[in-house]
Order: sequence, then C-alpha cells, then structure tokens
Amino acid sequence: GENVEQHPSTLSVQEGDSAVIKCTYSDSASNYFPWYKQELGKRPQLIIDIRSNVGEKKDQRIAVTLNKTAKHFSLHITETQPEDSAVYFCAVPRSSASKIIFGSGTRLSIRP
Amino acid sequence: GAVVSQHPSRVICKSGTSVKIECRSLDFQATTMFWYRQFPKQSLMLMATSNEGSKATYEQGVEKDKFLINHASLTLSTLTVTSAHPEDSSFYICSASTPGGSSTEAFFGQGTRLTVV
Repeated sequence: GENVEQHPSTLSVQEGDSAVIKCTYSDSASNYFPWYKQELGKRPQLIIDIRSNVGEKKDQRIAVTLNKTAKHFSLHITETQPEDSAVYFCAVPRSSASKIIFGSGTRLSIRP
Repeated sequence: GAVVSQHPSRVICKSGTSVKIECRSLDFQATTMFWYRQFPKQSLMLMATSNEGSKATYEQGVEKDKFLINHASLTLSTLTVTSAHPEDSSFYICSASTPGGSSTEAFFGQGTRLTVV
C-alpha cells in the first residue's frame, strides 16, 4: 500500500521567514498531492494541491513543488505570519482519488 | 466547495455503551465516504471506506464488529462505536468527494470528539 513520510514533525520559524515541509511517497502511480492545514480541534482544510502534470503551483504565500522522479513533494510558506501556526499534513490518494492517506503531520510554530 | 456535515461535534458516553456518529453530504451525493480517527497530536488514520448500498471496507487492524458502518443513502453514512471503552476516546472525522469529473478534493466533516468515561 501507499506509504507517506513527512518531515519535519515540528518546525519553528521566525515571523516573516519561510517554512518548508517535505513528503515522500512510495506509489509511482500517484498523481494528486494535496496539503492540508489543521487547527486544534478542527477539520483539515485543503490549502493547496498539485497534479502530476506540473512541477510547481503557487497561491500567494503558499507553493507546492513536486518531483515525480524522486517521489517527493514539498510545501513552501513564505513571509510566515502568526496565523500560519497549525499542523500541516501532506496526503496521497490510495486506490481512489478521494481515499487519501495522510502523512504524520508537521506542527508549525511561528515565533513573533 | 462541497459541504459535509458531521454530528454530533462532541459526545461523552459511559463505558460499555454505544455511540452513533452521522456524516452527511449536504449538497451532493456521495457513493463513498471515509472514516478517520485522530488521537491527540497524531495524524488522521483511515479506519474504513463506507460504500453506499454495500458493506464497508475496513483497514487492517480496525475491528468491523466494534466500528459499525452503515451507508444506507447517497447522502448519509453512520459510524457506530459499540461497547465503547476509554481507549476509544478520539477525534473521528468523515470525508467524501464529489462524484464524477476530475475533481479529487476530499471534503471533511467538522469531526466528532468522543470521550468515553
């Protein structure tokens, strides 16, 4: 089955600096790679996703890069703000696109 | 985006009793829904796939007799935690995606925090 590894587990950055979170996956057939943000006690929220036909996608301060050869994709948050503090999960579909397997999560803290 | 509603948001039950959690797709029909469990400070772990009109598919290690799933309509899936014990206390979340097209985004319910005392 699909195996997803996410690093780091915790990340603390100074406000205004950039944060990068990386995930690796095992199934070379995977073609959809979402990132979710989860605040304490709330549901995961999709913040950005990328499909295998592109290598990078950007949405304001958030970007995702994909390296299909190496089977890894990364979340980049620039100009971090206090409201970016949350847990971030990468995910990869397994067997069907909506049946997703989550990475272990990264707890991001933004220092003022 | 599509809306998935989960109820209740919080429930406290006594050990040995059963608890039912509902997951509804409000503005679309979902032939398949998914149930996840999340322990504190951990990731979301897929428990089972709920299939409308047929038996649910459980992930390895998940007891099907303890976590009963019913998907009787295209807009409702229920998860019943039977004979609940304190170790079943967790955050349970369902998800579904809109059928057809190229959309693969999963939409999540707001989650249910279960506390077994």
